[in-house]
Amino acid sequence: GENVEQHPSTLSVQEGDSAVIKCTYSDSASNYFPWYKQELGKRPQLIIDIRSNVGEKKDQRIAVTLNKTAKHFSLHITETQPEDSAVYFCAASIIGSARQLTFGSGTQLTVLP
Amino acid sequence: NAGVTQTPKFQVLKTGQSMTLQCAQDMNHEYMSWYRQDPGMGLRLIHYSVGAGITDQGEVPNGYNVSRSTTEDFPLRLLSAAPSQTSVYFCASKPGGGAYEQYFGPGTRLTVT
Repeated sequence: GENVEQHPSTLSVQEGDSAVIKCTYSDSASNYFPWYKQELGKRPQLIIDIRSNVGEKKDQRIAVTLNKTAKHFSLHITETQPEDSAVYFCAASIIGSARQLTFGSGTQLTVLP
Repeated sequence: NAGVTQTPKFQVLKTGQSMTLQCAQDMNHEYMSWYRQDPGMGLRLIHYSVGAGITDQGEVPNGYNVSRSTTEDFPLRLLSAAPSQTSVYFCASKPGGGAYEQYFGPGTRLTVT
C-alpha cells in the first residue's frame, strides 16, 4: 500500500516569514495530493490539493508543488500570520480508486508574533 | 446541511466494554471512512465503505467492526475496548472516488481505562 512521510514534525516561524512542509509518497500510481489544516480541537479541513498532471498550484498565500519523478510534494505558505498556526497533514490517493486517503504524520506549525 | 455528524463527542469506557460510535452524513456521499488520530501518527484509516452494503478494512482494522446498511449512516463498533484504542476518532465522507474533498465529522474523543 501507500506510505506517506511528512517533515518536519514541528515548525516555528516568525510572522511574515514563509513556511515549507514536505511530503514523500511511495506508490507511483498515486495522482491526487490534498493538504488538510487542523486547528486545535477541530476537524481537518481541506486547504489545497493538486493532481499529478500539474506541477504547481497556488491559492493566495498557499501553494503546493509536486515532483512526480522524485515522488514528493510540498506546501508553501508565504507571509505567515498567527492564524496559520495549526497542524497540517499531507495525503495521497488514486483518483477513481476505492483506495482512501493515506495521510502523513502531520506538522505542527507555530507562527510567532 | 448538517454535513458529517458524530456522536458522542466524548466517551470513557472500561477495558472490555463494547460501544458504537455513530456517524451520519446528509450529503448523499457514496464514500465514508473512519480514522483514528493519535499524537505523532497522523490519521490512520480503520475501515471504509464505497457504498451501502460494501465495507473494507483500512490500515488498522483490528478490534473494530463496521456496517453500512444505508447511504447516510456508518457506525463503528468497538467489540471489547482496550487502552490501546484510546484515541480521537473521525468519520469522513466524500462524493466518490474522484479528486473530491473529504469532509470530516467533529470527532469523538474516546478514553479506555
